[in-house]
Amino acid sequence: GEDVEQSLFLSVREGDSSVINCTYTDSSSTYLYWYKQEPGAGLQLLTYIFSNMDMKQDQRLTVLLNKKDKHLSLRIADTQTGDSAIYFCAEKRRNHGQNFVFGPGTRLSVLP
Amino acid sequence: DADVTQTPRNRITKTGKRIMLECSQTKGHDRMYWYRQDPGLGLRLIYYSFDVKDINKGEISDGYSVSRQAQAKFSLSLESAIPNQTALYFCATSDWGSGTSGGADRDEQFFGPGTRLTVL
Repeated sequence: GEDVEQSLFLSVREGDSSVINCTYTDSSSTYLYWYKQEPGAGLQLLTYIFSNMDMKQDQRLTVLLNKKDKHLSLRIADTQTGDSAIYFCAEKRRNHGQNFVFGPGTRLSVLP
Repeated sequence: DADVTQTPRNRITKTGKRIMLECSQTKGHDRMYWYRQDPGLGLRLIYYSFDVKDINKGEISDGYSVSRQAQAKFSLSLESAIPNQTALYFCATSDWGSGTSGGADRDEQFFGPGTRLTVL
């Protein structure tokens, strides 16, 4: 399909790991991104991965990329209440004038 | 001060009214974008501009128009607002080639705080 897909909701307990999954569509996308949107705010880039990488780690964040299955995941270790937000997966599509296509967003709720 | 600002932050209007949403940036970026956000649909691109003389339609441009008055300003207009244009609207900027590793254009987008528009 044409859409970037994500689950809409995820709940985890504080201290557990969160894994947010995404499937994208364009195998020629050069970069894949995770954006975070906190309540009442715009989106902020959280992390990104270049398409020739399988994994990228940045402190508590781990991004895994499976190009064969067009699957991207974001793992947040030791999830904190401040991680509660909406997380958007995005790809930069060459057949969209190099523009971004965003998934619907996954609302992460962190329970105490 | 915020790098990307939007005015107004909230607006309630009636069907048929003309509305203009404004976006200004101090990042010096050439590229500017307008998106709308609807629950469960993510962000959808309305219009984008790669420089002052370049305006392009996005995937949902019908019912909208834009004006790029200067490098720093990009306005979105709803000529005759309708209720299904009720949404959260975001402006974003990017500087092509802003990535420092991985080769070409990482192209991070920087978002404004959003304008919540309600059309009654």
